[in-house]
Amino acid sequence: QSVLTQPPSASGAPGQRVTISCSGSSSNIGIKFVYWYRQLPGAAPEVLIYRDDQRPSGVPDRVSGSKSGASASLAISGVRPEDEATYYCAAWDDTLSGPVFGGGTKLTV
Amino acid sequence: QIQLMQSGPEMRKPGASVKVSCQASGYTITTDGISWLRQAPGQGLEWMGWISTFNGGTNYALKFRDRLTVTTDTSTNTAYMELRGLTSDDTAVYYCARIYGSELPWFDHWGQGTLVTVSS
Repeated sequence: QSVLTQPPSASGAPGQRVTISCSGSSSNIGIKFVYWYRQLPGAAPEVLIYRDDQRPSGVPDRVSGSKSGASASLAISGVRPEDEATYYCAAWDDTLSGPVFGGGTKLTV
Repeated sequence: QIQLMQSGPEMRKPGASVKVSCQASGYTITTDGISWLRQAPGQGLEWMGWISTFNGGTNYALKFRDRLTVTTDTSTNTAYMELRGLTSDDTAVYYCARIYGSELPWFDHWGQGTLVTVSS
């Protein structure tokens, strides 16, 4: 049982906009930054979004993050087959004194 | 460029210990913390603990606190994760990850992962 809640799956046709949600609480997302990771099959995760809505260099601007209260979202515009991966949200949790993750959302394009 | 190279796959019997290494290149590990995470087959990511390579301080997730030790060897730019009292539930891919600016959970570089299999 993950501390952060994500839908197990999401899908979209090529070119569509897909949104993945991440629900937390007042001890994590509600007061701390959210980070998003993408994991391709058989590979290590890589950071897509840091500090709620910031993109590392190399991540295209069709990828965006947002947060409202204790929930966050990752949006991918113009999805492509190569976006097929599992996406994880993460945040620091003050009660647990450590990072917590969502269970992951597998995106199918 | 920055790379984290982990040691190879391991097989252990229940009750044994395992030590996984993570050698950094392209930067000095004393500048940022190193974290260890794991991923059981078909499951999500689980944070285990981290070490501040600046002062050697450690912080472990509660469930691992009594059987996990994370260390570093600055002479070889290598971090280590030792997990004791293994059970089949510890079968997983173990990752080391650099913590950007010691800001958790911002992991900007990851090792390739080490599969640890626990089986009798």
